[in-house]
Amino acid sequence: EADIYQTPRYLVIGTGKKITLECSQTMGHDKMYWYQQDPGMELHLIHYSYGVNSTEKGDLSSESTVSRIRTEHFPLTLESARPSHTSQYLCASSEWSGGTDTQYFGPGTRLTVL
Amino acid sequence: GESVGLHLPTLSVQEGDNSIINCAYSNSASDYFIWYKQESGKGPQFIIDIRSNMDKRQGQRVTVLLNKTVKHLSLQIAATQPGDSAVYFCAETFQGAQKLVFGQGTRLTINP
Repeated sequence: EADIYQTPRYLVIGTGKKITLECSQTMGHDKMYWYQQDPGMELHLIHYSYGVNSTEKGDLSSESTVSRIRTEHFPLTLESARPSHTSQYLCASSEWSGGTDTQYFGPGTRLTVL
Repeated sequence: GESVGLHLPTLSVQEGDNSIINCAYSNSASDYFIWYKQESGKGPQFIIDIRSNMDKRQGQRVTVLLNKTVKHLSLQIAATQPGDSAVYFCAETFQGAQKLVFGQGTRLTINP
């Protein structure tokens, strides 16, 4: 069982609000990721980080931003939420070791923007 | 570019039967593969992995087969149980890639 946590689990918010989705892991992993996923569909990488003060954009363009000030914490922020941001957001972490890079996922945050 | 895809979006099997979920990949450089299981409302959960220097790896009730010649990966679940109902994703990467490439997903439904 991976020790990676996301809060809130569910969020319903109005258009134009600023929101921050929290992600924390206690495994000391250097690498962390944010994915966006519609129900039952594939995962789309939107942000990742190799370590503290490192952030990169993923394959899917996103209006969100991320920060990595501490190893264990990788929050995602939407400055002005819109209905098109409605989705599930999954956080993951990994550590390259012995030729493997298994990502461990949090439970996800389901975001609904009205 | 590299891509990972699944042949079938849905698969229905009878409880107790064996399930086989397939995955094709296109990047010959990929050398590490993972199968994830995602139950409704949860994040993907690691099931089993395999490196490219292996053809087969077994876990508890699950077996992953890798055919590098045709770039094909499969997940076999023995004696399928209701708790196996989920969406299954394959993912690939290679050393230096810094990220996984996920396939589309196959929804496995278990019929009583």
